[in-house]
Amino acid sequence: EVQLVESGGGLVQPGGSLRLSCAASGFTFTNYWIHWVRQAPGKGLEWVSRVNTDGTSTSYADSVKGRFTISKDNAKNTVHLQMNGLRAEDTAVYYCARVRDFGGNSDFDYWGQGTQVTVSS
Amino acid sequence: EIVMTQSPATLSMSPGERATLSCRASQSVNNKFAWYQQKPGQAPRVLIYDTSIRATGIPARFSGSGSGTEFTLTISSLQSEDFAVYYCQHYTHWPVTFGGGTKVEIK
Repeated sequence: EVQLVESGGGLVQPGGSLRLSCAASGFTFTNYWIHWVRQAPGKGLEWVSRVNTDGTSTSYADSVKGRFTISKDNAKNTVHLQMNGLRAEDTAVYYCARVRDFGGNSDFDYWGQGTQVTVSS
Repeated sequence: EIVMTQSPATLSMSPGERATLSCRASQSVNNKFAWYQQKPGQAPRVLIYDTSIRATGIPARFSGSGSGTEFTLTISSLQSEDFAVYYCQHYTHWPVTFGGGTKVEIK
């Protein structure tokens, strides 16, 4: 069974940092791109970042570029999202999601349950 | 960045009715297009990908169509479990973007 489990969320002050993790199981992790998508309270879905199969290629939404860093550890079947310089507008549930096709240019066929990040003083 | 616009924002329907949800892209996305369903407190789940392919386990009452910039999700006969929020997404290039969502609520 494919599973993605996020962790690392919590309450942090503006300007602070958090490191989210996405632990994967049930599939050959090295073959898949992984994305982070967030959802602010009562709002829609916003793509945040993605990493390719071996971690050598990454992309970021303009809203997080320069503050967030995504990485992929194929030895531990885990993707991390290092979030620095957090702002109130980063408050959201953060989901990790797997891309369906090996090439990366596809929909998200599996999602984790999400982890809450709250940025507030 | 491609902007995805969904309409209507809210659809008030009765069980058994046919629901039609629309999504427009600001430029052509070819067939790199998906629909997701999200229920309160849950992660989104994919219903339709590549415009018209039903994901595994998705009932046949869900169908997707369209091309270029105009796409439609049809639910042929609404069941109680279908009342939820639906999002469209393109994945033709970076960044992928989502529509703002259509809430299908019970009339």
